[in-house]
Amino acid sequence: GENVEQHPSTLSVQEGDSAVIKCTYSDSASNYFPWYKQELGKRPQLIIDIRSNVGEKKDQRIAVTLNKTAKHFSLHITETQPEDSAVYFCAASLGYSTLTFGKGTMLLVSP
Amino acid sequence: GAVVSQHPSWVICKSGTSVKIECRSLDFQATTMFWYRQFPKQSLMLMATSNEGSKATYEQGVEKDKFLINHASLTLSTLTVTSAHPEDSSFYICSARDRANSYEQYFGPGTRLTVT
Repeated sequence: GENVEQHPSTLSVQEGDSAVIKCTYSDSASNYFPWYKQELGKRPQLIIDIRSNVGEKKDQRIAVTLNKTAKHFSLHITETQPEDSAVYFCAASLGYSTLTFGKGTMLLVSP
Repeated sequence: GAVVSQHPSWVICKSGTSVKIECRSLDFQATTMFWYRQFPKQSLMLMATSNEGSKATYEQGVEKDKFLINHASLTLSTLTVTSAHPEDSSFYICSARDRANSYEQYFGPGTRLTVT
């Protein structure tokens, strides 16, 4: 089955800096890669996703890049703000199949 | 759009009792719903996948007789934790897949279960 590795487990940045979280996956057939943000005690919220027919996708301060050959994808957050502080999870799936999640990255943005 | 509700948001029960958690898709039809369990500072662990009108598919290691899942309609799935024990205490989260946009999963707010 699919295995998703996520790094780093914790990331501390100063407000205004950029943050990058990286994930690798094992199943080359996977074609859907979402990123979720989860604040303490709350539900995971989809912030951006990418499908395997696209190499990069951007939404304001958030971008995701996908390298199918290397089987890795990354989340980029620019101009970080304290409200970006949360746990971020990457995930991978093959189409309509179940999502496999990474272990999460706790992002701390200091003012 | 794509709102998923969960009830109750938290529950405390005694060992040996059963607890039912409801998951509803409020503004879309969910052919598939998922149940996850999340321990503090850990990732989401998939427990089972339920398709409307059919039996749930459980992940390896998840006891189907202990965690009963019913997906009777396109907007409702229930998880019943039977004969609960303290080790069942956890954060249970459901998600639903929108039939019209099948790749995305939308999560409920979660249920904090504490078994005393």
